[in-house]
Amino acid sequence: EPEVTQTPSHQVTQMGQEVILRCVPISNHLYFYWYRQILGQKVEFLVSFYNNEISEKSEIFDDQFSVERPDGSNFTLKIRSTKLEDSAMYFCASSAAGGLGETQYFGPGTRLLVL
Amino acid sequence: AQSVTQLDSHVSVSEGTPVLLRCNYSSSYSPSLFWYVQHPNKGLQLLLKYTSAATLVKGINGFEAEFKKSETSFHLTKPSAHMSDAAEYFCVRDDYKLSFGAGTTVTVRA
Repeated sequence: EPEVTQTPSHQVTQMGQEVILRCVPISNHLYFYWYRQILGQKVEFLVSFYNNEISEKSEIFDDQFSVERPDGSNFTLKIRSTKLEDSAMYFCASSAAGGLGETQYFGPGTRLLVL
Repeated sequence: AQSVTQLDSHVSVSEGTPVLLRCNYSSSYSPSLFWYVQHPNKGLQLLLKYTSAATLVKGINGFEAEFKKSETSFHLTKPSAHMSDAAEYFCVRDDYKLSFGAGTTVTVRA
């Protein structure tokens, strides 16, 4: 069964450093998402991406964040200058279509720790 | 803002007994709702979804949920818990982006 994969599974970085989190969505999916979960808090939507453009982003997704689909298979989340509060589990998801009720398939997550 | 509320942060059941995970939603319309499960070190897996068709929705692994508009609820049930059901469960609504409840951790006693 096809699945979403994410690398790395864990990343430790120093405050102020740039990190890139990588995701390989399901191959025939067209819509891509990033979510995050700070320890002890809810899973929060960050951004959705379709047709090489951001469709929607949350207030969390400020200028420090960017997303890119650099080739036909990868979908990346870049944090330009990490802060302590960026420490969280980051989930990538993809869906075949973008309508209400479309199933989003999630990867296992990348646990980011900013020191 | 529209939201979902999971009424229990932790549920503990004995193997073979029923499981009930409660979720209420706030909305002025009938939303699309999901239940996802997360096992340790695994991604979020869809259990079932409601998209305004049948109000009783059957999912994987014997789970089902009933959409009750009068009670604004979408509770998840399973008649007989198995040890492998130990996980965290999320009630989620879809407003073109997913909004997650706080999660319910299920433990299953042998």
